[in-house]
This record gives sequence, structure tokens and C-alpha cells, in this order.
Amino acid sequence: AQSVTQLDSQVPVFEEAPVELRCNYSSSVSVYLFWYVQYPNQGLQLLLKYLSGSTLVKGINGFEAEFNKSQTSFHLRKPSVHISDTAEYFCAVRTQGTDKLIFGTGTRLQVFP
Amino acid sequence: DSGVTQTPKHLITATGQRVTLRCSPRSGDLSVYWYQQSLDQGLQFLIQYYNGEERAKGNILERFSAQQFPDLHSELNLSSLELGDSALYFCASSALLAPSHEQFFGPGTRLTVL
Repeated sequence: AQSVTQLDSQVPVFEEAPVELRCNYSSSVSVYLFWYVQYPNQGLQLLLKYLSGSTLVKGINGFEAEFNKSQTSFHLRKPSVHISDTAEYFCAVRTQGTDKLIFGTGTRLQVFP
Repeated sequence: DSGVTQTPKHLITATGQRVTLRCSPRSGDLSVYWYQQSLDQGLQFLIQYYNGEERAKGNILERFSAQQFPDLHSELNLSSLELGDSALYFCASSALLAPSHEQFFGPGTRLTVL
């Protein structure tokens, strides 16, 4: 069975500092990887996705993620965060041959001034 | 705005009752997904419909059912409600079934069972 682990439930960081949100997955078959963001009282919005090709993926709002097959990781990074990045971030995996997303438990990013 | 609409936004009801949540996918999207977000279970896939047919089932209780109508909107029916059914229910849609097709999420329906 597939699973996604987000190691940090909360990440506090000061504005303009870099941040990394960690995500590890478990799967015996090929996967497609996603990061979604959920702002307060809103639905989920896709930040970026890895389907194939280059392991470094760039997304919206200055975020990027790197797929590491050997470490089964897909960590999300941003070199300089803003107050407006405060939100819940979800890592998700979709296995080949299925359409459903399996989500991690989420990481709450809190950016302080 | 993702283009996916869900109604109602909030729903408060009592244990034992039945409710219907409605979802309208983005124009042209054939596939609809339902997810449940709760504090103890996180975000979980419930069920998927594609062009009116059930395509995949996840952790959906027998008390829950869904359908997709010819105009592609979908309804999630929750019956014999329990306190533990209180959650945020999301609908998502995608154009086709290929993995590159992003799932667009609606704003959710917050269900509170008292």
C-alpha cells in the first residue's frame, strides 16, 4: 500500500528566511507526486507536481521541490518566505494506474514578521 | 477560484439525520472525486466518478453514497449521521484520467453533526 509521511506537523519561520517542508512516500510502484496548499477556509490549490523528467520541479509562488527516488522523498523548499505563505501544506502521491490522491497529514507553515 | 463549486458551504445537523452535498465540476471535466478532511483521519479519498460511472472507491462508509448525473454534477449522500462524520468534505474534478491532469478542488462543505 502507498503512504505519505510529512515529518513536521508545524514549521515556524521568520519572514524572508528559507524553509523546507519534508515529505517521504512509500510505494512499490511508480508514483506521481504533488504538493498542495490550503489557505484558511479555502480549498486545496496545486503548488507543483512531479510526473517524470527533471527531478527539480518549480511551482507557483516561488516554491520548488526535488524528487529523490533513492530516498523516496519530495521535499518542498522556498528560499525566502512571506507572511502570505502562512498556510497548511499537503504532500500527495498518485500511483500509476490510479487517479486517487493519497495525502500526508499536512504541515502547518507559520511565517512570523 | 478553481471553477469547482460546492453547496452548501456549511451544514449543521443532528445525529441520525441524512444530508446531501452537491458538487459542480469545472466546465468540461468528466471526473469527480470526493475527499473527507477530518482532524483525526486527515485528508482521505472517498470515491471517484468518471462520466457518470463509479471508477474508484476509497475509505467510504456504507452509510455514504454518491452519484454523478448526466450534466456531470455529483452528489454525496451521508445517512445515519454520527458525531464522527463531522468534517470538511471536498469535491475535486479533473478533465481526464491521465496522471498529468490536475485535480481542481472546490472550497469544501463543512459538516457539523451535533
